[in-house]
Amino acid sequence: DARVTQTPRHKVTEMGQEVTMRCQPILGHNTVFWYRQTMMQGLELLAYFRNRAPLDDSGMPKDRFSAEMPDATLATLKIQPSEPRDSAVYFCASGLHSGNPFFGPGTRLTVL
Amino acid sequence: GENVEQHPSTLSVQEGDSAVIKCTYSDSASNYFPWYKQELGKGPQLIIDIRSNVGEKKDQRIAVTLNKTAKHFSLHITETQPEDSAVYFCAASRGGQNFVFGPGTRLSVLP
Repeated sequence: DARVTQTPRHKVTEMGQEVTMRCQPILGHNTVFWYRQTMMQGLELLAYFRNRAPLDDSGMPKDRFSAEMPDATLATLKIQPSEPRDSAVYFCASGLHSGNPFFGPGTRLTVL
Repeated sequence: GENVEQHPSTLSVQEGDSAVIKCTYSDSASNYFPWYKQELGKGPQLIIDIRSNVGEKKDQRIAVTLNKTAKHFSLHITETQPEDSAVYFCAASRGGQNFVFGPGTRLSVLP
């Protein structure tokens, strides 16, 4: 049963700390998305990669957020320094070119 | 860029009744429209999709219709069951790039 995995599932941290979220896309998928979900803004696209290259990160606050794909089996999203307004559920999704995203279970981030 | 609106934001129906959720999009170049269901504590899961060369698609109790001229598409769930209770999202995409999601509809099916 192929699925996207994300770690950690929950993270509570204090303002100013670095947060790293990890994602393992479905084997064979060449596109990886990062979404943020909040009650106010809904599902927002932060960034997406194709064949490990960043295609669009215009939705991501560049001063504190960074997204990378060190290899085809790992995508990371980092926030440094974190702020209370970053509290949200962060979803990783993967897919094939021109195909719909398959979502992971999400990381629920709380920044105090 | 693309903008997707979705109505209603909340919907309550009696078990066995039908539910309809409507979305509109702004970019006439969008050509792929998936629908996702999100249960509590889980990520959104694809339930049905439609491409712009098709007007309607059905899968058991779920159907989606697309009106390209009016730029709107709808999700229809018939014979609703309590397990259909969830948040439903529509999305629009141009060629599989940059999926833009609607704000979601919270569906409650009352027993």
